[in-house]
Amino acid sequence: AQTVTQSQPEMSVQEAETVTLSCTYDTSENNYYLFWYKQPPSRQMILVIRQEAYKQQNATENRFSVNFQKAAKSFSLKISDSQLGDTAMYFCAFMRGSNYKLTFGKGTLLTVNP
Amino acid sequence: DTAVSQTPKYLVTQMGNDKSIKCEQNLGHDTMYWYKQDSKKFLKIMFSYNNKELIINETVPNRFSPKSPDKAHLNLHINSLELGDSAVYFCASSPKGGGSPLHFGNGTRLTVT
Repeated sequence: AQTVTQSQPEMSVQEAETVTLSCTYDTSENNYYLFWYKQPPSRQMILVIRQEAYKQQNATENRFSVNFQKAAKSFSLKISDSQLGDTAMYFCAFMRGSNYKLTFGKGTLLTVNP
Repeated sequence: DTAVSQTPKYLVTQMGNDKSIKCEQNLGHDTMYWYKQDSKKFLKIMFSYNNKELIINETVPNRFSPKSPDKAHLNLHINSLELGDSAVYFCASSPKGGGSPLHFGNGTRLTVT
């Protein structure tokens, strides 16, 4: 079974600074996808970024980028120029290429301070 | 607006009651899901349907029964509610094909007293 581990239950960062959230996963699969989702206090689940395991290039979406290390099974999320609206719970998630099941880590609560 | 919408947003009920949560998506997706988020924010899949066919059925008490009348709707019926069922339940959908990101509804907070 696949597992996703987020070792930082909580983190904080000053507005405009950069922060990196860690995620590791365990799988014997070769074809899979990784995701970061954000859950602000409004409870919505919002897709932040998606990475295909067969692509070496790290995915980026505006201020959000990942550092995908396939051999180390590591998938960290970097948020640049942090904004107050980035305050949220961030979940790392894994999906096998052959099915639809999304397995989540336990989340990291990020607080951006003014 | 295109979205995944679920009703109700909040549901407060007593132990032993039966309740349903409805979900509809107008994104044209083939696959729909129910996830449960517990008090520690952990998200776990419960069920998934692909074009009205059950494809994922995790270890969930059989008091929980999903129903998909068509591929745009996936409802969750819960019998004999227990205190431990209190949680936020999320509906989600995704397009056909593994690796597609899930689009989530805004969740239903169920409180069993």
